[in-house]
Amino acid sequence: GNSVTQMEGPVTLSEEAFLTINCTYTATGYPSLFWYVQYPGEGLQLLLKATKADDKGSNKGFEATYRKETTSFHLEKGSVQVSDSAVYFCALTPLSGGYQKVTFGIGTKLQVIP
Amino acid sequence: DAGVTQSPTHLIKTRGQQVTLRCSPISGHKSVSWYQQVLGQGPQFIFQYYEKEERGRGNFPDRFSARQFPNYSSELNVNALLLGDSALYLCASSWEQGKLFFGSGTQLSVL
Repeated sequence: GNSVTQMEGPVTLSEEAFLTINCTYTATGYPSLFWYVQYPGEGLQLLLKATKADDKGSNKGFEATYRKETTSFHLEKGSVQVSDSAVYFCALTPLSGGYQKVTFGIGTKLQVIP
Repeated sequence: DAGVTQSPTHLIKTRGQQVTLRCSPISGHKSVSWYQQVLGQGPQFIFQYYEKEERGRGNFPDRFSARQFPNYSSELNVNALLLGDSALYLCASSWEQGKLFFGSGTQLSVL
């Protein structure tokens, strides 16, 4: 079956540091890949997505590239801010119309300190 | 525009009871999915409904059931509650593959 493995946190960084959160996946075919973010006290929000190999998803300064050869979708940001403190979930969904099962990773908690 | 709304926000039940959770999707979204999120874990897929038909079911026992109404709102029912059913239950609506819009969830505590 499909699965997502992401680094366990918490990850603690100083403001303006570089962020990498690793994510690898196992899936049949060519799934779509996502990063979702959960800010404290809020629901999950889609951060970015990529639907095919070598696609780069980006949003709010975050980037992730769909690497089929390494089955990875690592999340990066060049300079984190305190407001980026949240839990980040890597996720995938199979490429089949009408079926929306999204498989999530365990989540990585990011804490940014001033 | 209103987002995905879920009710109630919090619920406390005892073992063996039954519970019904409700979800209203974003206007125009015909697909509704339910997820269970245990503290410290990622959400786990329970059900997906599209146009009132069940399109997918996760690895949950038959105590879990759901339905979708003509206005695309949805209910999740859990019978014979167990302590292990304590979790945050998330509803998500969508119109695009994988792009889910989540509600804030219903926090269920089973005592």
